This record gives sequence, C-alpha cells and structure tokens, in this order.
Amino acid sequence: SAVISQKPSRDICQRGTSLTIQCQVDSQVTMMFWYRQQPGQSLTLIATANQGSEATYESGFVIDKFPISRPNLTFSTLTVSNMSPEDSSIYLCSVDPPTGASLEAFFGQGTRLTVV
Amino acid sequence: AQSVTQLDSQVPVFEEAPVELRCNYSSSVSVYLFWYVQYPNQGLQLLLKYLSGSTLVKGINGFEAEFNKSQTSFHLRKPSVHISDTAEYFCAVSTSYNTDKLIFGTGTRLQVFP
Repeated sequence: SAVISQKPSRDICQRGTSLTIQCQVDSQVTMMFWYRQQPGQSLTLIATANQGSEATYESGFVIDKFPISRPNLTFSTLTVSNMSPEDSSIYLCSVDPPTGASLEAFFGQGTRLTVV
Repeated sequence: AQSVTQLDSQVPVFEEAPVELRCNYSSSVSVYLFWYVQYPNQGLQLLLKYLSGSTLVKGINGFEAEFNKSQTSFHLRKPSVHISDTAEYFCAVSTSYNTDKLIFGTGTRLQVFP
C-alpha cells in the first residue's frame, strides 16, 4: 500500500492568485496523478506526472493553468494558477502501488479549494 | 473510449437493510472495474476490484460486486448496511491498454438512516 499526504487540506483564495498543492508519498512510485472533483461531480483526471519528464495533460487541461512538478519519486506539486471561482473544487493526488500489479490506485485526502 | 454510468445519484436506506448501487460501463476493449468509497472529508478508498477470474468479487466492509459482461454491469451490493456505510461510492473503469487511467462514474451517495 501507499500512504499519501496532501497539503493544504483546504484553503480559501482570492481570484487571480495561485495555489500550490503538495503531495508526498511514503514510498517511491513511478507515476502520480492529479484529479479534480468539482462540487457534486465525479473525479476528472487533470494530468499524469512522471519523475524526470513533463506531465501529460488530459483534454481540457493545460500546463499554463495547472503547472505540475515532479522533482523525485515521492513528491509532486500541482499549482492552480490565476484562480477563478470556477476552480473551486477538491483536488486529489493519486498513485499506483509500488508493485504495480494490483492496479489499485491510492488517494490522498484531497485539498478543498474555495476561490472567492 | 470508455465511460461509466451510475444510475442513482442518491440511495437512501434504513440500517440493516440490503442495498445495491448500480454501475454500467461502456468499452470496446476488456476492462478492469473498481468501486471506491469516499467518506466525508476524506480521500477515496478502494472497496473492491475485478481484474479477471470469478465474476463475484468480495471487498472490504462486507461489500461485494458482480461483473456481468453481457449486461456491461458491475453492481455493488451489501446484504445489511450500517450507519457507518454512509458515504459517496464511485464506480471506475480502466483498460488493459491504459491501466493507469481511471474513468470514474458520477458517484452515488448512500445515506443510511437509523
């Protein structure tokens, strides 16, 4: 299994500012994933982050708005840039287990972002 | 492309009653299927998964699900629910071609009443 810590757990931000969310894993993992969960909706994959390469973004998400860093095998950050109220969501970090064989994803507790 | 449909956005049920949360999927290739639970203010936790083999899958907390390929369904069941089962439940699918990408349904909120 993997234990994932996300910081901050919640924040209230002014529109036009940026917030960086941190995701720390207790073991080395190849791939880390960032999801967005908008109010009352399901999870949508934003991007996949591999260590040592640029993140791969899903349709509808761009690097300028959601820059991602992956400096090592246990850590990643997601920045929500130039925020607007529409960015108010829960942002979740996810990883595959170190073995990769179980196909089970592990999730952090999420960061609840409110933009005012 | 794959998609997941959870037909019920909310399911109210009394404690100790049975419950079924419905999930249907669409895919042109073989799929792996998952049920995740999200308790209030927490991240997602895996309940159970179907990768291959027996179509009846047992998970944690007394939940089970049955993979029905002909009906493209993966309904979640529990014979007797507890108050503590109140949570949001998400069905998800991935494929053998892209095991890392999970496609989630819109979720079903299970509300258990005393």
